[in-house]
Formats: sequence, C-alpha cells, structure tokens
Amino acid sequence: DGGITQSPKYLFRKEGQNVTLSCEQNLNHDAMYWYRQDPGQGLRLIYYSQIVNDFQKGDIAEGYSVSREKKESFPLTVTSAQKNPTAFYLCASSMAQGAMGEAFFGQGTRLTVV
Amino acid sequence: GQSLEQPSEVTAVEGAIVQINCTYQTSGFYGLSWYQQHDGGAPTFLSYNALDGLEETGRFSSFLSRSDSYGYLLLQELQMKDSASYFCAVRGHNQGGKLIFGQGTELSVKP
Repeated sequence: DGGITQSPKYLFRKEGQNVTLSCEQNLNHDAMYWYRQDPGQGLRLIYYSQIVNDFQKGDIAEGYSVSREKKESFPLTVTSAQKNPTAFYLCASSMAQGAMGEAFFGQGTRLTVV
Repeated sequence: GQSLEQPSEVTAVEGAIVQINCTYQTSGFYGLSWYQQHDGGAPTFLSYNALDGLEETGRFSSFLSRSDSYGYLLLQELQMKDSASYFCAVRGHNQGGKLIFGQGTELSVKP
C-alpha cells in the first residue's frame, strides 16, 4: 500500500542532543514538508522540498535541518540549537507544485525533551 | 506572504449544519484545501477548491471566492465523530510551492 511513514512514533531527547526524525513515502510525490504542532495550535511549516537535492526554509526553520538526497526520504534533524523542541512533528507529501491540492500526512512523531 | 484566518472554535449539536470560515491573504495560490484532524492524530484531506464555487463530497462541502479572499467548509447532518479540528490550507504560486495552514477551528458536536 502506498503511504507516508514517520518513525519513531515517540522520541525522548536529552537537552543538548541532536535527534533525527524519519519520513519516508512511496507515493512518488515530488513535494515533502515538515510541520510542527504544539498543543491546541495549528501546523507551522519548518522546511519543505519540491525536488530532490533542494529544500527551502519555512516559517520556523531555526534549530532544525533537513536533507533530500532521495525522492522518497526527507529526514528532519532537531538540533541542540532548538530551544523548545517538545512538540508533535508531522511530515507530509504531495504532488508537485501546481497539481492537485491533496497532501498526505504521516502519523507524526511526538518529541519530548527530558 | 500568506496568512489564513479561522475561528478558533465552533460548537454545534448533532444533526445540525455548521460552517467554518477561512479568510486569507496571499499574493496568489493554486487552490484552497480543507483537512480534518482528530485529537492526537494526523490531518486527513477533506476537500479542495481550485476554482470559485462549491465542491460537494457527501456531507461535506467547500466553497471558494477568490474575489472575496474567502472560503468555507460546510458540514451537514453533524455526527459526534465530526468533533475534531479543521484546517484550511493554501499552496502559493510563489515561494516554491509553500503549503501553509490556518490555525485551525476546533469543532465540538454536542448530543
């Protein structure tokens, strides 16, 4: 079945550590996105990528990094520079810019700093 | 830039009809989408308006008016399971296809 998979579902990080969240899709989508969601809040865009080996900063990119070496994969690293990383992280993918509007989401990773 | 405004919460009773509005400011976009998110879950796609007018999908309908910078999601025959957060979203022509979401509207359906 085609879909988008995030792992792990829950992640605990010690202060000062970098952690990497995985996002893989087999929908053959060109575009991929990372969002952060805090309790009771909307989805804020961290990074997005429209094509392999290219990505752009979203609205809250500070303290995060990404790579897009393969079409299927768009991992997000939460660095120690992110001062308040505890949140729900959602990855999404969609067809290329200008195409149908539907984005598909993974089930999310809940990151907690301990 | 792009921004979308939605009411933060709406309450309705089972069987009723509710409309969730979305007003936006953007320099140009491909279309307006709507997503549903149950507590703790992932957003799921509900509807997409590429053109002005009404799109109907079962109990859910969505409307777009580009001249008014406005859209809405209409939910009919409300059921308890419709209690969730609803987000409008746009993908802009500029800025490399950035996909932006509104802050979400929490819908509570009461018996």
